[in-house]
Amino acid sequence: DIQMTQSPSSLSASVGDRVTITCRASQGITNYLAWYQQKPGKVPKLLIYAASTLQSGVPSRFSGSGSGTDFTLTISSLQPEDVATYYCQKYNGAPWTFGQGTKVEIK
Amino acid sequence: EVQLVQTGGDLIQPGGSLRLSCAASGFTVGSNYMHWVRQAPGKGLEWVSLIYSGGGTYYADSVKGRFTISRDNSKNTLYLQMNSLRAEDTAVYFCAVGFGSGYSDYWGQGTLVTVSS
Repeated sequence: DIQMTQSPSSLSASVGDRVTITCRASQGITNYLAWYQQKPGKVPKLLIYAASTLQSGVPSRFSGSGSGTDFTLTISSLQPEDVATYYCQKYNGAPWTFGQGTKVEIK
Repeated sequence: EVQLVQTGGDLIQPGGSLRLSCAASGFTVGSNYMHWVRQAPGKGLEWVSLIYSGGGTYYADSVKGRFTISRDNSKNTLYLQMNSLRAEDTAVYFCAVGFGSGYSDYWGQGTLVTVSS
């Protein structure tokens, strides 16, 4: 099975900082990658699919890039409401594996 | 408006069985990718199972042979039958729908399953 590895597992940044989270697949998945945001005590929310397509209603400060095995989620200017755990997920076939998550906090 | 309303979570003894339900509105369960995803206390998301529009089903190795995903198109409802439950199955279980592909556009509110004696 393809493994999904996120880094870092947690980060602390200041409001307005640029934040980058990476997700690496153990084998190529072309662009079958989604990113989710889960705020504390809340349901996960789809942010990005097809590696770089922003879901409707998601702020434009979020962006995704990558293809094959290496992917990136970027928050261009971190806001207080972005405090959450972010997960990547492959969806090119079974199993639909998630990364272990990256917890983002405000410094 | 897309809605997924989950029921069925409970405290259950090891070895027991439980069925989770996910009632959908605003779309047709039988025409889309329907997932179950779980999250153990303080842990990350774990994909559990999928049923395709064509009826094909897939399971994580951790639940294969014990859990069964199904749907009732007449009730527009997704189910997860969980048998031979173990302590490590304790988690919040989410249902989710993918419109046209395998990622999850919308999620249910989650339901807690606690396996303990």
